[in-house]
Amino acid sequence: DADVTQTPRNRITKTGKRIMLECSQTKGHDRMYWYRQDPGLGLRLIYYSFDVKDINKGEISDGYSVSRQAQAKFSLSLESAIPNQTALYFCATSDGTADTQYFGPGTRLTVL
Amino acid sequence: SQQGEEDPQALSIQEGENATMNCSYKTSINNLQWYRQNSGRGLVHLILIRSNEREKHSGRLRVTLDTSKKSSSLLITASRAADTASYFCATDKSEAGTALIFGKGTTLSVSS
Repeated sequence: DADVTQTPRNRITKTGKRIMLECSQTKGHDRMYWYRQDPGLGLRLIYYSFDVKDINKGEISDGYSVSRQAQAKFSLSLESAIPNQTALYFCATSDGTADTQYFGPGTRLTVL
Repeated sequence: SQQGEEDPQALSIQEGENATMNCSYKTSINNLQWYRQNSGRGLVHLILIRSNEREKHSGRLRVTLDTSKKSSSLLITASRAADTASYFCATDKSEAGTALIFGKGTTLSVSS
């Protein structure tokens, strides 16, 4: 079984809808991250969490919120989706801030 | 803003040739990492080099780090078609409590 899983893998939704992307990990890591990837822009950090009680905004947090339900679970929500949030979203985990990150398979989100 | 910037943005070579990608960054770091991404998939960690190291090898990969120039290079020797992917450098700022920042990536195409 994969160490970092993301659900759903693909999602098509309409403008204004609320969407939740979920991430689960079995690596026992405290640190979890959400990124979005757009063509030509690389990965941009949305939110990150160093433990269950710690949530930090990344480079592009506007329009997103997160919830760290447990050490193993970190969810990303789009309260009111808009078309420019169409992107590939990745969850990642690490043991320490400067350590190797382990990525999930990604969620391809399309907002119409 | 991006901490790491890869160069070139795209690279096309023949099987058997060597591929060199460069990464420049802006602030002091604890370490620098290189990741690989096959099209549409999650990133996979390749190699980590610490700020007190100058060169590191892993199989056909050779990474160098020049902290005085704030730059790193990734060399893939004897490239194979299976090396076709995007390659990203990621850096962490040496200040505590920050997350990795990824560059925009180099897209490598190896033709047989």
